[in-house]
Formats: sequence, structure tokens, C-alpha cells
Amino acid sequence: QKEVEQDPGPLSVPEGAIVSLNCTYSNSAFQYFMWYRQYSRKGPELLMYTYSSGNKEDGRFTAQVDKSSKYISLFIRDSQPSDSATYLCAMSAGSGGSNYKLTFGKGTLLTVNP
Amino acid sequence: GAGVSQSPSNKVTEKGKDVELRCDPISGHTALYWYRQSLGQGLEFLIYFQGNSAPDKSGLPSDRFSAERTGGSVSTLTIQRTQQEDSAVYLCASSLVSRGGADTQYFGPGTRLTVL
Repeated sequence: QKEVEQDPGPLSVPEGAIVSLNCTYSNSAFQYFMWYRQYSRKGPELLMYTYSSGNKEDGRFTAQVDKSSKYISLFIRDSQPSDSATYLCAMSAGSGGSNYKLTFGKGTLLTVNP
Repeated sequence: GAGVSQSPSNKVTEKGKDVELRCDPISGHTALYWYRQSLGQGLEFLIYFQGNSAPDKSGLPSDRFSAERTGGSVSTLTIQRTQQEDSAVYLCASSLVSRGGADTQYFGPGTRLTVL
């Protein structure tokens, strides 16, 4: 079992839809949770960063972390064609010196159709 | 300011040849990371630099892979005697400092390596 599981999709939605992306993980040491967006032939860019459990909202994006279930989600409201990209979840442990090492999911390819 | 840059953007090589991939991190970023992104595998951590030293090389797949960083800035990832399974996108990232929290890692555009 991989440490981080993410459904690769592809996921295709109409413009304006609410998109739900999620990852599960097995390592209970993970404390920091991130979502990256990667456009084709580009490097990943950080979208959301959450520490421990809870919700975080930034514009149309909401990140949720449920550590008890080892499950994280990213919601995109009013999705736009410009949101079409691969979304990667990433996590790292807290203290102990290994917080720099990000463990990624395989990414979910999202297409938002106009 | 300028982001992380990598060169070359694409590299095609023959099996058995050596390749060097270069990363220029964001100015002032003390931490630098190399990742590999293969089809169907996602991003895999390769190595982490803090300044010029590499306290974690645990992700390097074999002794054919090595990396160095000089002057606390530019880093080079070298793959010797390339194999077809080395074909992937090699991504470099940098962050301001690696401390108690997980610092934001800024990624470059990657080098797409194809081994024929």
C-alpha cells in the first residue's frame, strides 16, 4: 500500500460545477497537508496548505483535513476552464527533521468544460 | 522575482550515456530538493540540500544518481550510464528554509529526460 492514495481520474465537469478531489493516507505522522496544481508541461504550484485537522478556505478553494480518517479533500466552487489541470495532494511529517520531505499522491487530472 | 529555473527543458540521450541536469533556485532559498515524476508514479523525492550539504539522499534510486550543490545556490543532478527506466521529468524545488514547519516548496518547470 502506498503511503498516499489519490484517484488519478480523469475527472471531467461542466463549467460552474463543484469539484471534489481527495486523498487518503496511511502514515499517521503526517501533519502538513498541501494541494498543488500542475498545468501541462509546467511545475507544480502550491494552492493550499493546511496544518493538522480542519478546514481552510481561499476564494473558490476549500481544503479539508480529517486526521482521524486519514482523509483530505479539496473543493473547487464555480469551477472554470482555467482550473483544468492535474491536482496533486502532498503531505509531510511534523517534527523530527523530516518535515521537508513531501510525499505526493499520483495526481487527479481535471478538465472543466466550457 | 525570478522563480526556480531548470535546464535543459528537454534532454534526449542514448542508453549508457551520462547526463547532467541543472537547477537554479530562487535567490536566498537555502533548501533545495530534487524530485522525479514518472508516468503513473507521481512525484518521488530524490534528495534534499540544506546549503551545500545533503542530509537526505534516501530517494536516489541507485548509485548511478548523484547530486551536488555549490555556493548554496546552483545544483546539478547527474545520472551516469542512463537506462530507459530513467526517462521521466526531473523537478527541482527550493524553499526559504526548512524549519519546524513544512516550508513552501517552489517548483521549477522540470527537465524532461528521454533515454532511447
